[in-house]
Amino acid sequence: DSGVTQTPKHLITATGQRVTLRCSPRSGDLSVYWYQQSLDQGLQFLIQYYNGEERAKGNILERFSAQQFPDLHSELNLSSLELGDSALYFCASSSHGEDTEAFFGQGTRLTVV
Amino acid sequence: GQSLEQPSEVTAVEGAIVQINCTYQTSGFYGLSWYQQHDGGAPTFLSYNALDGLEETGRFSSFLSRSDSYGYLLLQELQMKDSASYFCAVRGSARQLTFGSGTQLTVLP
Repeated sequence: DSGVTQTPKHLITATGQRVTLRCSPRSGDLSVYWYQQSLDQGLQFLIQYYNGEERAKGNILERFSAQQFPDLHSELNLSSLELGDSALYFCASSSHGEDTEAFFGQGTRLTVV
Repeated sequence: GQSLEQPSEVTAVEGAIVQINCTYQTSGFYGLSWYQQHDGGAPTFLSYNALDGLEETGRFSSFLSRSDSYGYLLLQELQMKDSASYFCAVRGSARQLTFGSGTQLTVLP
């Protein structure tokens, strides 16, 4: 158990809908990362937050947004969902923003039908 | 930007040694990491190299050559449970932790 908690584990929704994925980082970790992993693909970096502020941004679609709250949990919002958004979404956390060891949650499997 | 290249698949037999290579391009460099991911599971951290040379952790070793922008993960005494995807990851000046596309290792009996 990495200590990173993601909810829900599975999500099935229709095209055009909006969903929110939640991540609770390890106790004491200030940095949260979001990754998207499509079938048999690598981990595509979406966005990183550090202590409530956006630290780095990857190829995140405009339909997607994220935030990190004062209690350090983070939410990833996906809107106007398309079939191609079906993927595993991982959250990871690390103690600060520059370390190279990140701890991953079990992921949320999103299926858009 | 940052990019990493690693082989898509590697196959080896139980008890053998296998090497998974990774070349990277990045602006700035803070280190190369390796992660293991079993089917659909959470990636887990294996090792990290910030300086040139070999780091050994049990049956796994990782090597880095910063001048060649190259690293590898060496797995010894392969076991069936080592069948998984292995990702190299790099953090550059853009600060994001960027992962390679992964190498699927299949260990045969």
